[in-house]
Amino acid sequence: DTAVSQTPKYLVTQMGNDKSIKCEQNLGHDTMYWYKQDSKKFLKIMFSYNNKELIINETVPNRFSPKSPDKAHLNLHINSLELGDSAVYFCASSQNRGGNIQYFGAGTRLSVL
Amino acid sequence: QKEVEQNSGPLSVPEGAIASLNCTYSDRGSQSFFWYRQYSGKSPELIMFIYSNGDKEDGRFTAQLNKASQYVSLLIRDSQPSDSATYLCAVSSSNTGKLIFGQGTTLQVKP
Repeated sequence: DTAVSQTPKYLVTQMGNDKSIKCEQNLGHDTMYWYKQDSKKFLKIMFSYNNKELIINETVPNRFSPKSPDKAHLNLHINSLELGDSAVYFCASSQNRGGNIQYFGAGTRLSVL
Repeated sequence: QKEVEQNSGPLSVPEGAIASLNCTYSDRGSQSFFWYRQYSGKSPELIMFIYSNGDKEDGRFTAQLNKASQYVSLLIRDSQPSDSATYLCAVSSSNTGKLIFGQGTTLQVKP
């Protein structure tokens, strides 16, 4: 079983559409994260939830809205997609919020046309 | 000044040599330091983590931390072509678990 799984793996869509990416972890971790990796491979934190509570909310357009229905799941909904949203989005999890090792999912490659 | 800086490379070494990857960070309060390896088109994979000053060894990999100089490095001994990847340095300084990544160093190991 994959420890941190994301769906879909690829997402191709038109500008202006709304899309969601889902993430699930089966490691029993309390903390989950969303990262964005741009075309220059720079990996940047977007959001983090600890046991369903939002604890990191970086400077991200409010078109991006994370949701954590339980501590094993963290979803990312993106409204009104723009060309600049094209990137690879990684979900990660860690045992808790205290600087522990983070384990990454396989990533979702989003292409906005 | 970037929070975590790495030389983007590429760093090219011959097979069997030692590859040395370096990273500096700006936040003196940083407490946890990680090296991730990322193959092209894949997700970051943890290679090493270090919390205390000094060296930490795991197989062919050694992480070195010098908090006074705000410097962390990764040495790869007996480099193999399969080590060719981008190596990401990451630093955590808060109790939220927030990781700040460097831009990564591309390592090429030539047979």
